[in-house]
Amino acid sequence: DADVTQTPRNRITKTGKRIMLECSQTKGHDRMYWYRQDPGLGLRLIYYSFDVKDINKGEISDGYSVSRQAQAKFSLSLESAIPNQTALYFCATSVTGKGYTFGSGTRLTVV
Amino acid sequence: GDSVTQMEGPVTLSEEAFLTINCTYTATGYPSLFWYVQYPGEGLQLLLKATKADDKGSNKGFEATYRKETTSFHLEKGSVQVSDSAVYFCALSLFGGSQGNLIFGKGTKLSVKP
Repeated sequence: DADVTQTPRNRITKTGKRIMLECSQTKGHDRMYWYRQDPGLGLRLIYYSFDVKDINKGEISDGYSVSRQAQAKFSLSLESAIPNQTALYFCATSVTGKGYTFGSGTRLTVV
Repeated sequence: GDSVTQMEGPVTLSEEAFLTINCTYTATGYPSLFWYVQYPGEGLQLLLKATKADDKGSNKGFEATYRKETTSFHLEKGSVQVSDSAVYFCALSLFGGSQGNLIFGKGTKLSVKP
């Protein structure tokens, strides 16, 4: 099993729909992150969490929300999806001295 | 603000050619520097890192040296293989690499032809 698992791997949804992307990890890391990848723009940070009670906005948090249900779970929600949220979304975890571990990504298409 | 600039791609090379992907950074503090690689259909994997000036990170034949005087961390490989075809991201972190948040460059796509 992967250390960082993202579900679903692919999703097509309609404009205005609510959608949740889920991330779970078996690394035991405290810190979890959601990034968005767009062609030619690299990865941009949406939200991050340094522990279960700590949630922080990243560079591009507008239109997104997150929930840290447990140390191992960090979900990203789009309350009302719009087409410019079509992108590849990555969850990542980290702990001091061990670097980052990325999931395999969720490809989201909003039509 | 803090940022990373890397050469635009795509880069197309023949097998066994020499590779250089340029990366420069702007940071208010003293960052740690990273190269990540993304193979098709996969997430990002750490390729190498350096945490202080003049450090050389190396892995799988790839190397990069932390140059504070030129604020650079260029990725090099002496002889690329078809299996090196991927997207390469330069990144910095101002909090030791795993304590803070990574700031990424836009990525450089490398294609290696047989």
